[in-house]
Amino acid sequence: GESVGLHLPTLSVQEGDNSIINCAYSNSASDYFIWYKQESGKGPQFIIDIRSNMDKRQGQRVTVLLNKTVKHLSLQIAATQPGDSAVYFCAEEGLDYKLSFGAGTTVTVRA
Amino acid sequence: KAGVTQTPRYLIKTRGQQVTLSCSPISGHRSVSWYQQTPGQGLQFLFEYFSETQRNKGNFPGRFSGRQFSNSRSEMNVSTLELGDSALYLCASSLAVMDEQYFGPGTRLTVT
Repeated sequence: GESVGLHLPTLSVQEGDNSIINCAYSNSASDYFIWYKQESGKGPQFIIDIRSNMDKRQGQRVTVLLNKTVKHLSLQIAATQPGDSAVYFCAEEGLDYKLSFGAGTTVTVRA
Repeated sequence: KAGVTQTPRYLIKTRGQQVTLSCSPISGHRSVSWYQQTPGQGLQFLFEYFSETQRNKGNFPGRFSGRQFSNSRSEMNVSTLELGDSALYLCASSLAVMDEQYFGPGTRLTVT
């Protein structure tokens, strides 16, 4: 079946370094992709989104890259901070407008 | 502006019982979606409501149902609870269908 998944379940990064979180998707018809951050005890929080007619979008300290050729999505976090420690999910919206989430990557920031 | 609120935050039920969870969206938001989050299956879409109508539904059995009221508040119900229904149930609201979703903190349901 079609699904959204992340390459690595965990990522440990030194404070101040850049983080890259990867996600592979299989539904080539998906038009909209979103990254969420979920901290312990909280619901997911929107970080940044991108539509399929773009290959890059930048926000504050975050950049999302979309490679439709290999169906790959990544989230880059610049100058990672302790507050960035969380679980990060990618999600895709299919033609049925349902959101499908990846399994998540747990990011731990080392001081 | 207050965020999405969900009640109760924690709930313990016994197999075979039924449960009702409540979600109050952000003021002005008319779309409410429900998700189930478990360690094994991750985040899975349950259903979406807009203007009191179910607009979309995930692949869950009929034991899972929901509704939305005229003030956009939503409830979901799970009947004949099973151990596997233990999960964090998340509600998200948005201004309209396909808009950015804002999640609540979730209701942690434990079925024993």
